[in-house]
Amino acid sequence: GNSVTQMEGPVTLSEEAFLTINCTYTATGYPSLFWYVQYPGEGLQLLLKATKADDKGSNKGFEATYRKETTSFHLEKGSVQVSDSAVYFCALRGYSTLTFGKGTMLLVSP
Amino acid sequence: DADVTQTPRNRITKTGKRIMLECSQTKGHDRMYWYRQDPGLGLRLIYYSFDVKDINKGEISDGYSVSRQAQAKFSLSLESAIPNQTALYFCATSDSLGGQYTNNEQFFGPGTRLTVL
Repeated sequence: GNSVTQMEGPVTLSEEAFLTINCTYTATGYPSLFWYVQYPGEGLQLLLKATKADDKGSNKGFEATYRKETTSFHLEKGSVQVSDSAVYFCALRGYSTLTFGKGTMLLVSP
Repeated sequence: DADVTQTPRNRITKTGKRIMLECSQTKGHDRMYWYRQDPGLGLRLIYYSFDVKDINKGEISDGYSVSRQAQAKFSLSLESAIPNQTALYFCATSDSLGGQYTNNEQFFGPGTRLTVL
């Protein structure tokens, strides 16, 4: 079946540092890939997505590239802010539903 | 007003009690989902519904039931709550534009924190 593996957190960074959160997946076929973000006390919201190999999703300075050859969809941001502190979930969409990773907490200090 | 609302936002109950969590949406979406979130386990799908007459089990449906009362309403019930059902529960919606294999965004409610003592 489908599965998503994310790096464990928390990831702690200083403001303006470079961020990478690794995500790899196992799936049959060609799933769409997503990153969702959950701010404290809130539900999840879509951050970015990619629907086919070599697509790059981007939003709010975050980006991720769909790498079919390495089955990866790593999230990156060049300069994080305190307001980016949240839990980030990688997910894939197979036939009809989403499969989520376990989430990675990001803590950014001033 | 929020597009996806969940009630209650917090609930503490005792083992053996029947609990209903409600979800309403004003987005006009036909697809609705229930997830539970546990620390270190991410989100896991409990049930989903692609229209009013369609109900499907997800990854962890045992101990839960659902009712799709209308396109805009999807309720989750715990017939006899147990402590390991203590979790954060999320409702989500999506549309189906483009057909069965669409990759449309899911929109999440704010969550219900359920504690079973």
